[in-house]
Amino acid sequence: DIQMTQSPSSLSASVGDRVTITCRASQGISNYLAWFQQKPGKAPKSLIYAASSLQSGVPSKFSGSGYGTHFTLTISSLQPEDFATYYCQQYNSYPRTFGQGTKVEIK
Amino acid sequence: EVQLVESGGGLVQPGGSLRLSCEASGFTFTSYWMNWVRQAPGKGLEWVATINQDGSEKYYVDSVKGRFTTTRDNAKNSLYLQMTSLRAEDTAVYYCVSPYKIGGYWGQGTLVTVSS
Repeated sequence: DIQMTQSPSSLSASVGDRVTITCRASQGISNYLAWFQQKPGKAPKSLIYAASSLQSGVPSKFSGSGYGTHFTLTISSLQPEDFATYYCQQYNSYPRTFGQGTKVEIK
Repeated sequence: EVQLVESGGGLVQPGGSLRLSCEASGFTFTSYWMNWVRQAPGKGLEWVATINQDGSEKYYVDSVKGRFTTTRDNAKNSLYLQMTSLRAEDTAVYYCVSPYKIGGYWGQGTLVTVSS
């Protein structure tokens, strides 16, 4: 199974900050990597697929990059509505696996 | 507008069975693979199962193999998850998820609680 490791597990940031979350795969997954945002009590929302393709309707402040084993999600200017938990997931092979999540909190 | 509506969750005793449904609309259901993902209370996301367009290919996480079966009825635009021999560790919110290339939409989820 491919292990997905996110870092950090949590972070505190201020409104307006640039935030980067890293996701590492235990083996190469090409660009079969998705990112999700989840707010408390809500279903996850898809942000990015194929490592860098923004889902329709997702603001351009979100961006993704990476290939192989190293991936990043960047929020260019953190806004109050962005405080949430973020997950990466590989869909290169079965079983599909998620990272453990990164909780973005208000400083 | 893509909509995925899960139903069928509830309280069940260990060893019991439950069938979840997911009704899809707003996209050509018959053209796409579909997924089930779950989330235990206070925990992260866990992929559960995936099924191809005509139901001939299915994949499962090891922890549910032999106990869970996913099927679909393309005439009804519906996805199903039949869960048997349920265990306490199956307690979670279960989501159906559409393919990422068409938006990666998630349903609102349905809660399954396995407890005596």
